[in-house]
Amino acid sequence: GQNIDQPTEMTATEGAIVQINCTYQTSGFNGLFWYQQHAGEAPTFLSYNVLDGLEEKGRFSSFLSRSKGYSYLLLKELQMKDSASYLCAVMDSNYQLIWGAGTKLIIKP
Amino acid sequence: GAGVSQSPRYKVAKRGQDVALRCDPISGHVSLFWYQQALGQGPEFLTYFQNEAQLDKSGLPSDRFFAERPEGSVSTLKIQRTQQEDSAVYLCASSLGAAGQVSYEQYFGPGTRLTVT
Repeated sequence: GQNIDQPTEMTATEGAIVQINCTYQTSGFNGLFWYQQHAGEAPTFLSYNVLDGLEEKGRFSSFLSRSKGYSYLLLKELQMKDSASYLCAVMDSNYQLIWGAGTKLIIKP
Repeated sequence: GAGVSQSPRYKVAKRGQDVALRCDPISGHVSLFWYQQALGQGPEFLTYFQNEAQLDKSGLPSDRFFAERPEGSVSTLKIQRTQQEDSAVYLCASSLGAAGQVSYEQYFGPGTRLTVT
């Protein structure tokens, strides 16, 4: 079956760095997405990786290793507004997004 | 507006009632998706449209669920004879390209929270 695993919850301090991991097993691979979702709101796109390596976009970076079925989202200089759920999703061979359950990130002052 | 809109934002239905949820995608977006999201979970795929064609409905949980996009723009998700297990947030997303195209980013609407009592 298809499976996306990410931690349920993480806590970090304002100004610090946090890494959210995601491992996946899917039928086919056409890219991995990270989305941010604040409580009660729609998911918003953060990043897309289809090749191995690191993609940097401001305070957020995303890494992919296809051979290991592994990705991480790195958030630097954490701000209180970064408190949200972070969803990892893999596009399978049918171009369908398979979603993880999300990691709830709690930022403390 | 420039984003995906959904209506109603909240819907309370009595068990057995039929409901219709509407999605207005971003203008010109070819692809449209419906997802179901339970509390504390990621979205679960329901169905996919490319323009007016429903290319994948493998995620619809039962024949009580029906979706359409007759003119390739607005879409409606209909749930007949609602059950308590249908209570969830229903998210609609649209994408500029079709399946398999580059830049397949999906833009989500705010969702409709359905509560079946």
